Amino acid sequence: QLQLQESGPGRVKPSETLSLTCTVSGGSISSSSNYWVWIRQPPGKGLEWIGSIYYSGNTYYNPSLKSRVTMSVDTSNNQFSLKLSSVTAADTAVYYCARLLTVEQPPDFWGQGTLVTVFS
Amino acid sequence: QSALTQPASVSGSPGQSITISCTGTSSDVGSYNLVSWYQQHPGKAPKLMIYEGSKRPSGVSNRFSGSKSGNTASLTFSGLQAEDEADYYCCSYAGSGTFEFGGGTKLTVL
Repeated sequence: QLQLQESGPGRVKPSETLSLTCTVSGGSISSSSNYWVWIRQPPGKGLEWIGSIYYSGNTYYNPSLKSRVTMSVDTSNNQFSLKLSSVTAADTAVYYCARLLTVEQPPDFWGQGTLVTVFS
Repeated sequence: QSALTQPASVSGSPGQSITISCTGTSSDVGSYNLVSWYQQHPGKAPKLMIYEGSKRPSGVSNRFSGSKSGNTASLTFSGLQAEDEADYYCCSYAGSGTFEFGGGTKLTVL
């Protein structure tokens, strides 16, 4: 069974960079056609797609966040990562990593999520 | 503001049938048969309930069904049960590798 686990600091200061890693187990991050995605959910609010990445490094980003987002893949450790720069309080959210079976299929396997709070 | 529009809340009694709508545009819901629905209980990750508009992943009850007409997708519960009480989100592929979510609907079982 595929499992995903987010990790990273739970608190980030305004204007700094949020960095999270998702570790994939029970399957290979290099599986053909699979994409890997970050999604966030501010407290009490809805879901927001941040971006998707293929093991080759091909990425798609949410246009509203594109200028601040960088995603990368580490195939040797079966991990992928998210960096979000210049954070503000509006970036406080539970951040989820998940898998896409193909680039256009919805996320099916999700991590449990990790809360990141932007505080001063 | 979310790209896809859902009612903020719906409610029903056990055994009742309920439908949640998800309205998008001709650039997302209307262009692709790639609408999905998620169930989210408090403090939990979303669970995929419907994909490609009407398909159910293995293990999802056939009480849940999905459909689409034009730019609006729908999730229908047949025979509402107490454990169905949760938040529900629609999601649509929007082309060029992008996705959009609805704002979510809180389902209350009376």
